[in-house]
Amino acid sequence: EIVMTQSPATLSVSPGERATVSCRASQNIGSNLAWLQQKPGQAPRLLIYGSSTRASDIPVRFSGSGSGTEFTLTITSLQSEDFAVYYCQQYNDWPPWTFGQGTKVEVK
Amino acid sequence: QVQLQQSNPGLVKTSQTLSLTCAISGDSVSSNSAAWNWIRQSPSRGLEWLGRTYYRSNKWYNDYAVSVESRITINPDTSKNQFSLQLTSVTPEDTAVYYCARDVLGEGFLDYWGLGTLVTVSS
Repeated sequence: EIVMTQSPATLSVSPGERATVSCRASQNIGSNLAWLQQKPGQAPRLLIYGSSTRASDIPVRFSGSGSGTEFTLTITSLQSEDFAVYYCQQYNDWPPWTFGQGTKVEVK
Repeated sequence: QVQLQQSNPGLVKTSQTLSLTCAISGDSVSSNSAAWNWIRQSPSRGLEWLGRTYYRSNKWYNDYAVSVESRITINPDTSKNQFSLQLTSVTPEDTAVYYCARDVLGEGFLDYWGLGTLVTVSS
């Protein structure tokens, strides 16, 4: 089973600033990585798949990069609605799909 | 637009069977290009993929997580366009929010999710 490790666990950012979340896979997963956003009391929502492709209706301020074992989610100019928990998910070695433990992006 | 509507069982007693359904609109459980998943989330285990069912080349398939494969069954119901989860012999460790979700077959990312159902296991 592939283990996904995210950092940091919590990220404090001021509105309008940039946030960067990292995700590392325990083995090579190519570009088979997705990013999900979860707000309190809600289901996760797909943001990015294929490491860098935005899902439908996702704003351009969200971008993803990386391949192999190292991946990054960047949110430029954080809006109030972007404060949430972000998860990475690998789908290279299937099943099982595996998730990172989450990164909480909070208001500084 | 795909929508997934989950049932709401709430409380399940220890050693009994947890049962959930997920009704699909905007797609078909028999689609040849989608798979239908169950995922759960708890503070102690985070997001945990449990299993999925999918239809391909006129046959139904299932994949299950090793951690639950002796206790889990996921079944499609084509007459109601839904799929179900059964988890037997539950313990308090199975307390979680359970989600159903679609993945694009051949890909694996989860593009549509149900709203989630909190299941509490208690004696």
